[in-house]
Amino acid sequence: NAGVTQTPKFRILKIGQSMTLQCTQDMNHNYMYWYRQDPGMGLKLIYYSVGAGITDKGEVPNGYNVSRSTTEDFPLRLELAAPSQTSVYFCASSLDGYSGNTIYFGEGSWLTVV
Amino acid sequence: GEDVEQSLFLSVREGDSSVINCTYTDSSSTYLYWYKQEPGAGLQLLTYIFSNMDMKQDQRLTVLLNKKDKHLSLRIADTQTGDSAIYFCAEKKAAGNKLTFGGGTRVLVKP
Repeated sequence: NAGVTQTPKFRILKIGQSMTLQCTQDMNHNYMYWYRQDPGMGLKLIYYSVGAGITDKGEVPNGYNVSRSTTEDFPLRLELAAPSQTSVYFCASSLDGYSGNTIYFGEGSWLTVV
Repeated sequence: GEDVEQSLFLSVREGDSSVINCTYTDSSSTYLYWYKQEPGAGLQLLTYIFSNMDMKQDQRLTVLLNKKDKHLSLRIADTQTGDSAIYFCAEKKAAGNKLTFGGGTRVLVKP
């Protein structure tokens, strides 16, 4: 299993541009998440999904959109990039909402908005 | 204040023990986790503890949970240079599967 795979790993965007961060998992997990990590801070939840066709807002959803058309994929869309969205983005997945343990993380996507 | 708080930095000599502390506010937390993040990498789950336990040991790692004080600690025995990283504690509340993370403790291991 590859686990959770994110692309791209690095990206520089100009203010106002749009882009999609891709995330896919091959573990047949129902739950998927997008977090952002700002320097010196913990991770903040942007959006999450409990299954295909179902998404919900996390703590910091403004400026982002998600979709979950398949179990495997959970792309994160930035419509009008702003400097405040400069951050490291982590996608994650877990089997369900009840297991006590592992939430698996991708390796991160470093995004800079200039 | 923040839901989960950690000290920012810890410096330790190679071979010594490291203790990383974390406090949280939600008494309904069901699981508490420790993640390790090495430079330029994602988060790696180190260990976790269920809220009805007060201690868990896994090789060089010992997790202590004081539920009354809402205090969690991670002890790394015989700290190695490869243990230099940022360590995040996280709590999972009773409802849902979302994690709330602390700000991370940067551990620097000196030879």
